[in-house]
Amino acid sequence: DTEVTQTPKHLVMGMTNKKSLKCEQHMGHRAMYWYKQKAKKPPELMFVYSYEKLSINESVPSRFSPECPNSSLLNLHLHALQPEDSALYLCASSQVTLNTEAFFGQGTRLTVV
Amino acid sequence: TQLLEQSPQFLSIQEGENLTVYCNSSSVFSSLQWYRQEPGEGPVLLVTVVTGGEVKKLKRLTFQFGDARKDSSLHITAAQTGDTGLYLCAGNQGANNLFFGTGTRLTVIP
Repeated sequence: DTEVTQTPKHLVMGMTNKKSLKCEQHMGHRAMYWYKQKAKKPPELMFVYSYEKLSINESVPSRFSPECPNSSLLNLHLHALQPEDSALYLCASSQVTLNTEAFFGQGTRLTVV
Repeated sequence: TQLLEQSPQFLSIQEGENLTVYCNSSSVFSSLQWYRQEPGEGPVLLVTVVTGGEVKKLKRLTFQFGDARKDSSLHITAAQTGDTGLYLCAGNQGANNLFFGTGTRLTVIP
C-alpha cells in the first residue's frame, strides 16, 4: 500500500466554523507533513511530524492546529479561517531520513467563505 | 526556508521537441528530488539525486545533480502530450524538511 489518503476531498467552510482535515497512511512512515498550495504556486511547507512529535512549524498562524494521534494518522484542525486561507492542503509521508522521498495524498480543496 | 528557483517558469513546446528545466539555489542540499503534479492531484515523485554530479535516467527523462549539490536539471527528450504538468524540484537540508522550488509549468502541444 503506497497510498496517502486525505479526507474530505473538498470542503467549504465559513469563517466562524471549526473543521478538521484528515490524512492516513499505512506505509510505516514515521514522518508526516502538511503543505498548503495556492493556485499556480508550489506547495509551501506548514508542519512536519517526526515520530508523532511536531518537529517543524513554519510560522503557521494558530488558527491551523496540527495533531498526530498515532503513526498512521495526521489531522489539521481549522478554526476562524480567513478567505485567503482557501487553498489545496496536501498531506505527505516519508521515512525519517536525510533524503526525504515523500508520498503525497490528493489533497483537500478548501474554500473559506 | 531555502529558495529554490526554477527556470523557465512556463514552457510551451510542440510534441517531439526536447526541453530542459533548471533548479538553482545558493544553498547545498543533501538531496534533490523532482516531482510532477497534475491539476487537482498531489505531487508524484519522479527521482531523487543524492551524489554531486549524479545523472539518473527515467525513460525519456534525464536528471542531473550539480557537482556542488546546489542545483539540478531535468531534460526531457521527444516530449509527449502526457508530459504536460507542473514540474517541481524539492530539496532536503537535514532530515525531513522538504522545500519545493518555484515550479515549471510545461505544456506539450500535439
